[in-house]
Amino acid sequence: QKEVEQNSGPLSVPEGAIASLNCTYSDRGSQSFFWYRQYSGKSPELIMFIYSNGDKEDGRFTAQLNKASQYVSLLIRDSQPSDSATYLCAGPHDGYKLIFGSGTRLLVRP
Amino acid sequence: DADVTQTPRNRITKTGKRIMLECSQTKGHDRMYWYRQDPGLGLRLIYYSFDVKDINKGEISDGYSVSRQAQAKFSLSLESAIPNQTALYFCATSEGGQGTGELFFGEGSRLTVL
Repeated sequence: QKEVEQNSGPLSVPEGAIASLNCTYSDRGSQSFFWYRQYSGKSPELIMFIYSNGDKEDGRFTAQLNKASQYVSLLIRDSQPSDSATYLCAGPHDGYKLIFGSGTRLLVRP
Repeated sequence: DADVTQTPRNRITKTGKRIMLECSQTKGHDRMYWYRQDPGLGLRLIYYSFDVKDINKGEISDGYSVSRQAQAKFSLSLESAIPNQTALYFCATSEGGQGTGELFFGEGSRLTVL
């Protein structure tokens, strides 16, 4: 089992809809999680990080963490075509190495 | 100028050749990493270093070696390149201690081994 798992997609949503991206992890000791966005041919860039159980909101983005279920999600409200990218979930393994999921490709249809 | 700079950005080489990818950073971070990205496999950690005297293997270190020449420089070497090492390689940095753990990536080095 991979330490961080994501559905590869693509997840296709219409413009203006809510996109929901999900991630599960195996290391129960992980305390923090990161969502990175990567446009094709570019380097990953941080969108959100979350340390605590519950929700964290930043503009159109909401990260959700459920430590009991070992589940992290990213919601994108009012999705725009410019949100079309691959979204990478990452969490620390052994307390400090950041391990990435394989990424979910999001397509926002105009 | 980019905070994390990788050279070369693109390289085509032949099987058996020695290749070095270089990374330098101006962020003043202690921690540096090398990741490899293949389609459908996300980013996989090759090596990481938390300071100049600290080098650690990641998920997929076989066939690779690294050198931390200074706080700002971290090089990845392929002693004898093989075709399945064709990939996009990223260097990254992060703060140590009480930092958030956020990784800052270079622009990537695309390596093709023929």
